Amino acid sequence: NAGVTQTPKFQVLKTGQSMTLQCAQDMNHNSMYWYRQDPGMGLRLIYYSASEGTTDKGEVPNGYNVSRLNKREFSLRLESAAPSQTSVYFCASSLTQGGETQYFGPGTRLLVL
Amino acid sequence: AQSVTQPDIHITVSEGASLELRCNYSYGATPYLFWYVQSPGQGLQLLLKYFSGDTLVQGIKGFEAEFKRSQSSFNLRKPSVHWSDAAEYFCAVGLMDSNYQLIWGAGTKLIIKP
Repeated sequence: NAGVTQTPKFQVLKTGQSMTLQCAQDMNHNSMYWYRQDPGMGLRLIYYSASEGTTDKGEVPNGYNVSRLNKREFSLRLESAAPSQTSVYFCASSLTQGGETQYFGPGTRLLVL
Repeated sequence: AQSVTQPDIHITVSEGASLELRCNYSYGATPYLFWYVQSPGQGLQLLLKYFSGDTLVQGIKGFEAEFKRSQSSFNLRKPSVHWSDAAEYFCAVGLMDSNYQLIWGAGTKLIIKP
C-alpha cells in the first residue's frame, strides 16, 4: 500500500518547455487534488477532481491542465512552462470531497529557468 | 473573502517545553478545521481535525487543538515537545459553500532548541 505516489521527484525545465506531472493513489479514493506550495504562501489549489470523470479549477489554474485518467491517476500538465511556475507540487487524494482527510504525495520540485 | 491566518512564521521552543501554535480563520459559519504537519522534504500528514462536537480534539503524536468559536480560532498545543517535532505546521479550513475545498494558512515553522 504505497498511498499517493508522484513522479518525477525533481525536474528542471527551460521556459516554454512542457511536461506532465504524474500522480497515482491506491486507496480507492474518489477525489484527487493538485496543489502548489510556495514559500510563505501555504498551499494553493490548482485543480481538483471530485470524482472520476470530473475536473474543476481551483484557486490558481492558469497555465495548467489536468487529466483524471482513471480512478487511480490524476496528471497535471504544464503546456509552456514559465519561471513563475517554479514551485513544489503536491498531489493529494481523499475518500470523498466533503471535508474528508486528504492524503498527500511526497511532492515534485519543479525549477523553470 | 475567507482566509486562514497563522500569525507566527517561526517559533523556537526548547525541548521538553510546551507549545502552542495559533490559527485564526475568517468565515461566517463554523468550518471544518484541520492541522497538518510537514517534515522537511516530505508531504503533509494530518495531525487532527474538527468537524463538530467536543471542541477539544486529540490527534496523533500527542498533539491536541481547541476550537473556540467566539475567537474564530483553532490553536494547536502539545505539553512537551520532542526534537522530532521540528517541522512546519499548517492550519486549514474546509468551507461548506465551496464544496469543502481547503483554504490553507501560510504555515508555522517549529524550531526545537536542545
